[in-house]
Amino acid sequence: AQKITQTQPGMFVQEKEAVTLDCTYDTSDQSYGLFWYKQPSSGEMIFLIYQGSYDEQNATEGRYSLNFQKARKSANLVISASQLGDSAMYFCARGKDSGNTGKLIFGQGTTLQVKP
Amino acid sequence: EAGVAQSPRYKIIEKRQSVAFWCNPISGHATLYWYQQILGQGPKLLIQFQNNGVVDDSQLPKDRFSAERLKGVDSTLKIQPAKLEDSAVYLCASSLSYGEAANTGELFFGEGSRLTVL
Repeated sequence: AQKITQTQPGMFVQEKEAVTLDCTYDTSDQSYGLFWYKQPSSGEMIFLIYQGSYDEQNATEGRYSLNFQKARKSANLVISASQLGDSAMYFCARGKDSGNTGKLIFGQGTTLQVKP
Repeated sequence: EAGVAQSPRYKIIEKRQSVAFWCNPISGHATLYWYQQILGQGPKLLIQFQNNGVVDDSQLPKDRFSAERLKGVDSTLKIQPAKLEDSAVYLCASSLSYGEAANTGELFFGEGSRLTVL
């Protein structure tokens, strides 16, 4: 099975500092998309950012940016100026691949705690 | 615009009992997904519908799980009989048709239905 790996079960960051959450993926496809979702304790999955495999520039959305290194098959999420409300679980996911049925395959997640 | 609606939010049952979860996707979304999320893990796809047809149910335990989307809008996921290991959050998500040009690939999730099997 083509996997998504998030090697950090838990991370701590001081408020206002930046943090990087790691994600590597396994695929033989040339065309695919990478997604990051946030899941607060309420349980809902909130879309954060998307990177297409052919996009030449790293995606950015406000305080979120995606450090995409295609050759290394990594798509790390960078959160700048962390806020207390960023405390949540974060999931990396892959989709829009050659099969493109629309489904996303998720990693196991990283729990982020922001300290005041 | 209304989001993905799911009910019930919480359900506690004993093993061997049955349970059903309901999902109403965002209006106009042809594709509907049911994911299972066990505590501490990422969501795992159970079944995907395109309109009222099944696209992928390869990871659905068909001996006990069933799902339907009869009119291509709302959907029901049923578990019968439940086992202890079915304790999880069941997430419903929807998206535009995956072949549609406007589809960015983003899935829109409901708040989930948390099942506890005792």
